[in-house]
Amino acid sequence: GAVVSQHPSWVICKSGTSVKIECRSLDFQATTMFWYRQFPKQSLMLMATSNEGSKATYEQGVEKDKFLINHASLTLSTLTVTSAHPEDSSFYICSARAPGTRAAGYTFGSGTRLTVV
Amino acid sequence: LAKTTQPISMDSYEGQEVNITCSHNNIATNDYITWYQQFPSQGPRFIIQGYKTKVTNEVASLFIPADRKSSTLSLPRVSLSDTAVYYCLVGSNQAGTALIFGKGTTLSVSS
Repeated sequence: GAVVSQHPSWVICKSGTSVKIECRSLDFQATTMFWYRQFPKQSLMLMATSNEGSKATYEQGVEKDKFLINHASLTLSTLTVTSAHPEDSSFYICSARAPGTRAAGYTFGSGTRLTVV
Repeated sequence: LAKTTQPISMDSYEGQEVNITCSHNNIATNDYITWYQQFPSQGPRFIIQGYKTKVTNEVASLFIPADRKSSTLSLPRVSLSDTAVYYCLVGSNQAGTALIFGKGTTLSVSS
């Protein structure tokens, strides 16, 4: 089945630094990828839709200058958290859908636990 | 997208059948019903999807009444490893659209 790989699985960074998270579709091409954020004991919240070769679409309330998304190829999308602060500490998850599938085709990465100290 | 309502939490014991019901009164004609499972610190995993009547796979069954305003995920003979959050999602899932998650149901299975 379709596999989405996310890296790193966890990262600790200092306040004010930037962190990059990678999301790769391993066995299919994904023109669109999705980024979610999940706080403890809460549901997944959609942050943005990443489009290959064009600008990402951000959900209301998500700062596009803080959460930089780059989708430079059909198999790779990256999320960069710039000038990270403790309140950015969260679980970040990416998702993509294999072509020609319905909801069953949405595959999620294993997530990245970001801790800002 | 149709809004869904699920119980916040459920408790069960090993070996029991667990039924989680989801309400989606505003479901549209083109919408499918999909259930995902999420373990702590992992991404969600697809369980089952259906449009109407009953769907069964190796891990669960999905029951959808004729009016499609609700659905029930049935997990037969749960084990401790079924402890997770279960999400019910409704949508047409057109290409390029994201899945929108509700609050989900936290299932706790005890021995």
